[in-house]
Amino acid sequence: GAVVSQHPSWVICKSGTSVKIECRSLDFQATTMFWYRQFPKQSLMLMATSNEGSKATYEQGVEKDKFLINHASLTLSTLTVTSAHPEDSSFYICSAITGTGAYSNQPQHFGDGTRLSIL
Amino acid sequence: QKEVEQNSGPLSVPEGAIASLNCTYSDRGSQSFFWYRQYSGKSPELIMSIYSNGDKEDGRFTAQLNKASQYVSLLIRDSQPSDSATYLCAVRGGSARQLTFGSGTQLTVLP
Repeated sequence: GAVVSQHPSWVICKSGTSVKIECRSLDFQATTMFWYRQFPKQSLMLMATSNEGSKATYEQGVEKDKFLINHASLTLSTLTVTSAHPEDSSFYICSAITGTGAYSNQPQHFGDGTRLSIL
Repeated sequence: QKEVEQNSGPLSVPEGAIASLNCTYSDRGSQSFFWYRQYSGKSPELIMSIYSNGDKEDGRFTAQLNKASQYVSLLIRDSQPSDSATYLCAVRGGSARQLTFGSGTQLTVLP
């Protein structure tokens, strides 16, 4: 149980294009999803917290106009990297927790990640 | 600022030995504690969760929690080369939805 699917797993595109990454909870309803970015040999960096039906909460220093997050349903959140540039190249990972009842004991379940390379 | 501290390593142990990974946290209100394993180039996967003081065992893994000392650890018995990975300690505070992650400890199990 608690499977999170992330798509695509690998993207290579030209500078200036926009890239959309999807994160789906396959067997549970995820009222909250999280988006992380991880550079090589560095730790996870939380970018934003996304609640179903409301605007995402971005961490300090993350440009909300560049990293558009939509969480329109209980099983799907998307991250769009707009006008991507080489410095946006990174490993992007989503995670989710179930939202009903007490969440304090619930782990975050991670998708497999998307490796983004901007040429 | 809520912090989770881990020794970054690298930690090397011989195959068959016990690997001990440690984590301290600053928020006394923390209620939930998790250990994740992350292989190079992959996303984190959940290994253990622990919520109350004491030990919790699952196969070769034992998580230990001491809330008074704000300390959580992970023991891996009979370490295998396939255990070589980065281990992330994660803590959730009383009212937070998101986990706070440590920077991870890189473990290498030598054949």
